[in-house]
Amino acid sequence: AQRVTQPEKLLSVFKGAPVELKCNYSYSGSPELFWYVQYSRQRLQLLLRHISRESIKGFTADLNKGETSFHLKKPFAQEEDSAMYYCALSGTNAGKSTFGDGTTLTVKP
Amino acid sequence: EPEVTQTPSHQVTQMGQEVILRCVPISNHLYFYWYRQILGQKVEFLVSFYNNEISEKSEIFDDQFSVERPDGSNFTLKIRSTKLEDSAMYFCASSGTSGSGAYEQYFGPGTRLTVT
Repeated sequence: AQRVTQPEKLLSVFKGAPVELKCNYSYSGSPELFWYVQYSRQRLQLLLRHISRESIKGFTADLNKGETSFHLKKPFAQEEDSAMYYCALSGTNAGKSTFGDGTTLTVKP
Repeated sequence: EPEVTQTPSHQVTQMGQEVILRCVPISNHLYFYWYRQILGQKVEFLVSFYNNEISEKSEIFDDQFSVERPDGSNFTLKIRSTKLEDSAMYFCASSGTSGSGAYEQYFGPGTRLTVT
């Protein structure tokens, strides 16, 4: 079974502070992990996928298979980062994505 | 950049009525999905569709639900007899192959379904 856990429903930081959004997963095979972002009144957008090892908008995420984690990090948060962030797992090529509950990030000025 | 589109953006219907939610996936994508998000809850998988048939469905996707790709562009979700608990945001997504092999899904803006 696929499972994604985002332990923090709400996260609030000040502008310029580091931010880490936690994501843990459960899957018996080799998962594909993603982070999606949903800005206010907008669609879900792909932010990062673990396989590409990119940094998007200053965010990075490293897949840690030993800890089964895929935490999202940014060293200096900006106010425009305020949004809902979802961690998602896809177990097979083109298979369903299982989403975590989401974390609402608020970056205060 | 191509996008997934969905219509209508908001649908209000009475309990027991049939609704059809429409999606136009990205044109060269091969895999199509429906998800829903009840207000305040997580995004939940409903069904995936490939090669003109359902490839996977969740326990939510019971006999009241059906999907169809009636032509080369549209992908529809039908709810035959809506219930109050069907009120949610419904997201369509599509994916295709990428060079990296990761099947990232592109989401539409959603249709908000309100059942009264």
